[in-house]
Amino acid sequence: QQKVQQSPESLIVPEGGMASLNCTFSDRNSQYFWWYRQHSGEGPKALMSIFSNGDKKEGRFTAHLNKASLYVSLHIKDSQPSDSALYFCAVSPIFHNTGNYKYVFGAGTRLKVIA
Amino acid sequence: DMKVTQMPRYLIKRMGENVLLECGQDMSHETMYWYRQDPGLGLQLIYISYDVDSNSEGDIPKGYRVSRKKREHFSLILDSAKTNQTSVYFCASSFDWGASYEQYFGPGTRLTVL
Repeated sequence: QQKVQQSPESLIVPEGGMASLNCTFSDRNSQYFWWYRQHSGEGPKALMSIFSNGDKKEGRFTAHLNKASLYVSLHIKDSQPSDSALYFCAVSPIFHNTGNYKYVFGAGTRLKVIA
Repeated sequence: DMKVTQMPRYLIKRMGENVLLECGQDMSHETMYWYRQDPGLGLQLIYISYDVDSNSEGDIPKGYRVSRKKREHFSLILDSAKTNQTSVYFCASSFDWGASYEQYFGPGTRLTVL
């Protein structure tokens, strides 16, 4: 059974600072990785994906993937109060016992950006 | 407008009552999902639907069943609700079941079973 663990559970950063969120997974066959963000009272929304080892940058957000180390991270540069939310990593579908794919989500990191 | 809707947004039921949660999407997505979210546990997959009448159990299907008779609608049914089914339920959809497709989530239904 794939295990996805996120750290830290919560994080406080000052406005303009860098937030670093970590995610480890257990299945070496995992191929695709997503980061989702959930603001309070809303549903999660996809932030960015990363499929290859290395870094992927989208605006203030940079994802880093190291499949050999079973590790994916998200870095938020110049953090804004609007970035305050719950962040999930979602690891690629694994072959479920029914033969169908499904995602596995981590428990999330709660980020608070203070002005 | 790409949207996933959920009804109702809030629901209070008594133990043993039946519960119907409804989900709709306007993107003609083939694949739809039901998750529940509990503090510290993240999102747990209840059921996946690959298209009309093509449903598959997720990680925690016990106590739930689903129905998908139209591509744009996906229902979650709790027969004889239990107090441990108190949770926030999210519906999601994606273009296909492949890993490269993002999931679009609805706003959630907060269900309380007394």
